[in-house]
Amino acid sequence: EAQVTQNPRYLITVTGKKLTVTCSQNMNHEYMSWYRQDPGLGLRQIYYSMNVEVTDKGDVPEGYKVSRKEKRNFPLILESPSPNQTSLYFCASTWGGQGAFGANVLTFGAGSRLTVL
Amino acid sequence: AQKITQTQPGMFVQEKEAVTLDCTYDTSDQSYGLFWYKQPSSGEMIFLIYQGSYDEQNATEGRYSLNFQKARKSANLVISASQLGDSAMYFCAMREGPSGSARQLTFGSGTQLTVLP
Repeated sequence: EAQVTQNPRYLITVTGKKLTVTCSQNMNHEYMSWYRQDPGLGLRQIYYSMNVEVTDKGDVPEGYKVSRKEKRNFPLILESPSPNQTSLYFCASTWGGQGAFGANVLTFGAGSRLTVL
Repeated sequence: AQKITQTQPGMFVQEKEAVTLDCTYDTSDQSYGLFWYKQPSSGEMIFLIYQGSYDEQNATEGRYSLNFQKARKSANLVISASQLGDSAMYFCAMREGPSGSARQLTFGSGTQLTVLP
């Protein structure tokens, strides 16, 4: 089954304790992205990656790191989490063909709900 | 300025009636795409419908249709014959630039739809 898998789905942690949220897709998609969802704000992009070793900042990158060493994986790293990073996080992927027609429909993971105390 | 505006934080509709969820957008690109996603209480993001800026006809997918008014920069979602299972949060999103510009996907703040029996 084509899917984006995120882990963990739920996590409660404390301020300053480094954590990684993993994301893996099995669709050979070039493009992967991380979003955070907060009430009243919709989804905001944190980081995205157009391909292996190619990453760039989204709208709210502060406090986060990412890496793209393999095409299928795009982990989100919180080096020193703070309470304002309490949120619902989504990883998403799509094909990244340039100049093609049609939609780049994002396939989302199930979400990871993170609470930082 | 907000790129995607959803002015209805919450909406109610009677079962079997039609409902329109509003979405306006702001872009100077000639090529762009508009998406609607559904997020039920379980949290996953479900793609509903897509409209490309050059598509002359309004997109339809089953009970979903997108009322695309380019001059007004609006992309309203119409759900016909509402069902109880349609109760969810609905997000409008925009991709600026041609297909392959997935990094530019911007989401609105969402509309919480409740279908009443």
